[in-house]
Amino acid sequence: AQKVTQAQTEISVVEKEDVTLDCVYETRDTTYYLFWYKQPPSGELVFLIRRNSFDEQNEISGRYSWNFQKSTSSFNFTITASQVVDSAVYFCALSGVGSWGKFQFGAGTQVVVTP
Amino acid sequence: ETGVTQSPTHLIKTRGQQVTLRCSSQSGHNTVSWYQQALGQGPQFIFQYYREEENGRGNFPPRFSGLQFPNYSSELNVNALELDDSALYLCASSWDRGTQYFGPGTRLLVL
Repeated sequence: AQKVTQAQTEISVVEKEDVTLDCVYETRDTTYYLFWYKQPPSGELVFLIRRNSFDEQNEISGRYSWNFQKSTSSFNFTITASQVVDSAVYFCALSGVGSWGKFQFGAGTQVVVTP
Repeated sequence: ETGVTQSPTHLIKTRGQQVTLRCSSQSGHNTVSWYQQALGQGPQFIFQYYREEENGRGNFPPRFSGLQFPNYSSELNVNALELDDSALYLCASSWDRGTQYFGPGTRLLVL
């Protein structure tokens, strides 16, 4: 069985602060993909990043960066210099080879960025 | 925008009725997945269609059914609606079973 845990329900920051979202996952698959999606109030899930299980290199893309650590089954996501437009619910998701294409989502973390 | 469209955007039904939701996938995508998202929760996988065949199903009863058409668009049908079926229904398209791109969703309210 697959499981994704996002322990933080809500994070509030002031604009320009950094925000780090935690994600811990469980899977028996040796090959899997991890994702982060953003859901603004409009409701549409917006794809942000994808990382496969055999590539632990951490990267930065603009104001987004992620820290994938297989040893601790964590896939954390950071927004640098937050902006009001970053206010949304952020979801971590897992798709394993045993259930390929069946995304398991976490409960989400609400990020509130105030001016 | 992803190019995935869903209709209708909002819908109100009463208990026991039937509903059909529609999804047009992004150009070039052959796989459609459907998710149910209750208020304050993460999306839950309903089922996936790959080249017109059901290709995986989550823990949803048989009254949730679907179709995929030759142009890869899809329908989600729910029979005998219950109050707990009130949710945001999200459709996602992908090439094979890769990254899924989501539509804006259909908000269903069952009274």
